Amino acid sequence: GENVGLHLPTLSVQEGDNSIINCAYSNSASDYFIWYKQESGKGPQFIIDIRSNMDKRQGQRVTVLLNKTVKHLSLQIAATQPGDSAVYFCAEGGGSQGNLIFGKGTKLSVKP
Amino acid sequence: DTAVSQTPKYLVTQMGNDKSIKCEQNLGHDTMYWYKQDSKKFLKIMFSYNNKELIINETVPNRFSPKSPDKAHLNLHINSLELGDSAVYFCASSLIDGAEAFFGQGTRLTVV
Repeated sequence: GENVGLHLPTLSVQEGDNSIINCAYSNSASDYFIWYKQESGKGPQFIIDIRSNMDKRQGQRVTVLLNKTVKHLSLQIAATQPGDSAVYFCAEGGGSQGNLIFGKGTKLSVKP
Repeated sequence: DTAVSQTPKYLVTQMGNDKSIKCEQNLGHDTMYWYKQDSKKFLKIMFSYNNKELIINETVPNRFSPKSPDKAHLNLHINSLELGDSAVYFCASSLIDGAEAFFGQGTRLTVV
């Protein structure tokens, strides 16, 4: 069902600061997690993913952390830029549901 | 080249009409999806389809039907449109079910 949720629906940060977006998931059988970025008027775009056998994965300016004990996922964006302003979704996959299940989304606003 | 393309981008129609949204992917993926995004940005799976199986979200009214003429296409037909069908509809595809999904740009459907 729709059990992937977010703690913060909106987040406003100053340009240059770090951003942290959180997500709680409920399906312990999910073995694949993705963060998507959706800019206004566009479809969601892949940012970074992580498998359940990992607890951390780093990309360019982004880091995803996975805590399976508490079923929590976070996306950290370093040195947030105005171009990072978007809605961010976490999604889980690989469980019995087959397809990706999306969380509710967090809107990130970056103040210049 | 656009990986997942859907048309039209905007669709305004009257209640009771029948309409279709087309989707094509050139990624060679086996699985395609339709998602509905409501005004609160929540992404909900409607259908997932590969050449073996159609999985329908049980909450989707039977006025909605996917049609797949071939592996690269998954069109969405909607009969007897209702006001509540107004939303943004996203087509997506993935290599296998539950893996990273690539999204189209969305179709904003407005029923008046």
